[in-house]
Amino acid sequence: DAMVIQNPRYQVTQFGKPVTLSCSQTLNHNVMYWYQQKSSQAPKLLFHYYDKDFNNEADTPDNFQSRRPNTSFCFLDIRSPGLGDAAMYLCATSREGRGTGANVLTFGAGSRLTVL
Amino acid sequence: ILNVEQSPQSLHVQEGDSTNFTCSFPSSNFYALHWYRWETAKSPEALFVMTLNGDEKKKGRISATLNTKEGYSYLYIKGSQPEDSATYLCAFLGTGNQFYFGTGTSLTVIP
Repeated sequence: DAMVIQNPRYQVTQFGKPVTLSCSQTLNHNVMYWYQQKSSQAPKLLFHYYDKDFNNEADTPDNFQSRRPNTSFCFLDIRSPGLGDAAMYLCATSREGRGTGANVLTFGAGSRLTVL
Repeated sequence: ILNVEQSPQSLHVQEGDSTNFTCSFPSSNFYALHWYRWETAKSPEALFVMTLNGDEKKKGRISATLNTKEGYSYLYIKGSQPEDSATYLCAFLGTGNQFYFGTGTSLTVIP
């Protein structure tokens, strides 16, 4: 039944070792988001795709990259993770527009990243 | 960066107690206010989408109100149950089409 699936759920990496987190959706939503949430903080938007259009937040570090090869999949690449990148990474999707259900976020269960 | 604030940060209540918490957001450029419920080890799930000043929404024992002129929303839980234990996140959606989240209120209902 899961409609937004994130893998892996838990990722342990070493300082500086690249990591890729994946997100897939079965909803055919046109917008996909990556949020970073650190303990006791609000989820922070890293970037989002409107269809294939990539939108990077101004304060997202260059260390973070994203790919969306098709509607269903989106990836978050962390090129050189630092200790400060340890967080929960949430993927979400939405259908932009008007009417019932538009703009409501559907989340995955998150990927928790630990950096040693 | 928009400021969305939630209070309290955490709350412990006894089973059967009613409780409420607050989300404050900017009163300008408002499009919608969302409430999400996030249980441990699960995905955050949408509870309410509120768009009009004065909106009141209800789902079972949970209800929410919206005041866009003064920039706040209240979430109420009547007769809290252990299964209500979760983090409740509010998200402000402005006319710029971006969500801004609060830090959440962590609710623990003690049996």
